Amino acid sequence: RKEVEQDPGPFNVPEGATVAFNCTYSNSASQSFFWYRQDCRKEPKLLMSVYSSGNEDGRFTAQLNRASQYISLLIRDSKLSDSATYLCAVNFMDTGRRALTFGSGTRLQVQP
Amino acid sequence: DVKVTQSSRYLVKRTGEKVFLECVQDMDHENMFWYRQDPGLGLRLIYFSYDVKMKEKGDIPEGYSVSREKKERFSLILESASTNQTSMYLCASSSSTREQFFGPGTRLTVL
Repeated sequence: RKEVEQDPGPFNVPEGATVAFNCTYSNSASQSFFWYRQDCRKEPKLLMSVYSSGNEDGRFTAQLNRASQYISLLIRDSKLSDSATYLCAVNFMDTGRRALTFGSGTRLQVQP
Repeated sequence: DVKVTQSSRYLVKRTGEKVFLECVQDMDHENMFWYRQDPGLGLRLIYFSYDVKMKEKGDIPEGYSVSREKKERFSLILESASTNQTSMYLCASSSSTREQFFGPGTRLTVL
């Protein structure tokens, strides 16, 4: 079983739709959680950190559910420019590694 | 703004050649990382470094080595390039256990 799992998609949604992605992680000793956005043939760019209390940045909302070991990303009022691959990333504290472990990504395609 | 730069965007090498990929960050981050990214396999950690002259193996270190002589610079070395090392190579840096910032990537093709 992978340490961090995401549905690869693609999620095809019309403009204006609300779409949500989940990301499950296997290790309960996890401290830091992030969502990254990656455009085709580009590097991942940090979209937002995920805090225990949840956080919102404009149309984007991130949530953490420690009991069920998943994080979620909600995008409201989808724009064509939101089309990208969304990667979740987790820091597993008990490994002593400062590196993040990434999911394979969920591809979103917003259609006109 | 954090800036992470990589020496080349595209590189074509021949099997058996020694390949150097360089990465520089300007935010005084102590941690630096090298990943490769392949379709369907996601980002896989090759090596990372917590400090100058320190290095740790990631998940797929075979066929690679690294060098960190200065805090801002982290080099990835392919001692003898092989076709299965054709990939996108991404460098990243971070402070402590916080978010990582990536360079633009080097798309390496080994013929």
